[in-house]
Amino acid sequence: EAGVAQSPRYKIIEKRQSVAFWCNPISGHATLYWYQQILGQGPKLLIQFQNNGVVDDSQLPKDRFSAERLKGVDSTLKIQPAKLEDSAVYLCASSLGDASNEKLFFGSGTQLSVL
Amino acid sequence: TQLLEQSPQFLSIQEGENLTVYCNSSSVFSSLQWYRQEPGEGPVLLVTVVTGGEVKKLKRLTFQFGDARKDSSLHITAAQPGDTGLYLCAGAPGANNLFFGTGTRLTVIP
Repeated sequence: EAGVAQSPRYKIIEKRQSVAFWCNPISGHATLYWYQQILGQGPKLLIQFQNNGVVDDSQLPKDRFSAERLKGVDSTLKIQPAKLEDSAVYLCASSLGDASNEKLFFGSGTQLSVL
Repeated sequence: TQLLEQSPQFLSIQEGENLTVYCNSSSVFSSLQWYRQEPGEGPVLLVTVVTGGEVKKLKRLTFQFGDARKDSSLHITAAQPGDTGLYLCAGAPGANNLFFGTGTRLTVIP
């Protein structure tokens, strides 16, 4: 079974530039999550989709971050403009349903460095 | 808001030793999960506990959910170098939210 695919693997940009990350969840998984993991910390949920609808985006900095999941499959996360404090690993995860005890499957992440 | 605090933050032990990692909160969780994350990879689920007082074993790993469903512990017996990684607890205060703890970075020295 193919896992959660993310690209790019690494990205280096200068502050105030824009960047986009892509995620392809496991086939058939209805729920997709984007997490931000700053070095030395646990992942922080940015946004959760159920099919193509947003379940939770309360911790998404909406002035600069946006995400979409068209057709309820792939998803993109965009940052515009980037700040130094956005340097982190961006993890995408998916699960079959949206129950709190569902098993989350994570991708390998995109490591973003903002200079 | 950080709901889950893990301790210790860092742990370095010799192969064969035992260790316990703690995950504490003032909030009640409907379920709690433990993940292990290796460098350059995403977290991988180890176990889910849902009942207060529940104990689950996974080979040399023993997981316990507190009676009040506010805390959890992970005990590793006879640690091996392959156990090295970042251990994360994740709690669900509601029906479909999952919050991760601060993490414990374990290094097992051969």
